[in-house]
Amino acid sequence: GAGVSQSPRYKVAKRGQDVALRCDPISGHVSLFWYQQALGQGPEFLTYFQNEAQLDKSGLPSDRFFAERPEGSVSTLKIQRTQQEDSAVYLCASKGLAGVDVGNEQFFGPGTRLTVL
Amino acid sequence: AQSVTQPDIHITVSEGASLELRCNYSYGATPYLFWYVQSPGQGLQLLLKYFSGDTLVQGIKGFEAEFKRSQSSFNLRKPSVHWSDAAEYFCAVGAGGFKTIFGAGTRLFVKA
Repeated sequence: GAGVSQSPRYKVAKRGQDVALRCDPISGHVSLFWYQQALGQGPEFLTYFQNEAQLDKSGLPSDRFFAERPEGSVSTLKIQRTQQEDSAVYLCASKGLAGVDVGNEQFFGPGTRLTVL
Repeated sequence: AQSVTQPDIHITVSEGASLELRCNYSYGATPYLFWYVQSPGQGLQLLLKYFSGDTLVQGIKGFEAEFKRSQSSFNLRKPSVHWSDAAEYFCAVGAGGFKTIFGAGTRLFVKA
């Protein structure tokens, strides 16, 4: 079946604009994660959903960042009033079991590259 | 606090030569450890993982890694590198709860 997909693949925004990044996880996957990957760095955890419940949002860098997964499948990461420091690749990952079982494999999407001018 | 260190920002090896990528972690309990590979424009792909048991773990694409608790290390190895192995490699630790902590990555260049 299809893997994790993300759209758009590339997004250019002017500083101050709002953006919305979409993640379609593997069908039936319970857990969904968002990561931010700055240039030359590893992914950094942003937030975690178990079904529709956002159980951990401790990695969101500011209150301009907001994520939702209203029906427990597709998720959207929204960034309000974008700043240049928000430029990064945003990765989504899903896995079949609840996130407490850290050992199970996360399947990553290709990411959305956000550039804020 | 949990952390992962990959001391080498980039490594160049000749095709057919052996490879070792270093990874050191900081974590209070027995960690879950992972190696991922990221090719340009692609998402991360899991190469292998360690939870418990045998400290030498076999993965996909001919990779293996050895967990050494005394050195807090989880180095990735491959006996013979292929040009298609050129990519970015990330070591990661399952930090309890839902989080996975990634290192900054090592970029592998393969020369003919």
